[in-house]
Amino acid sequence: QKEVEQDPGPLSVPEGAIVSLNCTYSNSAFQYFMWYRQYSRKGPELLMYTYSSGNKEDGRFTAQVDKSSKYISLFIRDSQPSDSATYLCAIGETDKLIFGTGTRLQVFP
Amino acid sequence: SQTIHQWPATLVQPVGSPLSLECTVEGTSNPNLYWYRQAAGRGLQLLFYSVGIGQISSEVPQNLSASRPQDRQFILSSKKLLLSDSGFYLCAWSRQVLEAFFGQGTRLTVV
Repeated sequence: QKEVEQDPGPLSVPEGAIVSLNCTYSNSAFQYFMWYRQYSRKGPELLMYTYSSGNKEDGRFTAQVDKSSKYISLFIRDSQPSDSATYLCAIGETDKLIFGTGTRLQVFP
Repeated sequence: SQTIHQWPATLVQPVGSPLSLECTVEGTSNPNLYWYRQAAGRGLQLLFYSVGIGQISSEVPQNLSASRPQDRQFILSSKKLLLSDSGFYLCAWSRQVLEAFFGQGTRLTVV
């Protein structure tokens, strides 16, 4: 079993839709949960991070962590074509991050 | 503000040739530095990380090595490239343990 599992997609949605991206992980010792966005041929950029269970909101983005289920989510409200990218979850413990394979999202007008 | 520079952006090298990719960070001191490789469908694989000059930790056995000759400089090298070394290589830095910030990457094709 992989330490971090993420559906690779692609996920195609119309503009304005609510998008849900998810990852599961296997190690209950993981404490840090992050989401990165990566545009084609670019390096990933940190989008959101959280260290605890519950929700964290930043504009149109909400990160959700459920430690009991070892499940994290990223919700994008009112999705825009500019949100089209690959979204990678990253989960870690004290000194390193483990990344999911990334979910490719396409938002069409 | 902090910036990270990685070059070159693309590179085509023959099998058996050497490799040197360089990464530098500006605007911060004593950063943690990382080299990742990204292959299609496999996510980001951590290759090396460094918490200080001359201190390198290797995550996976491979044909590559890393060095940190200066505080804000991280170099990825190989003496003889293999076809399987092709991929997208990313350098990253962090101040705290985990909030890594990435460079723009080098797409390496070994032919």
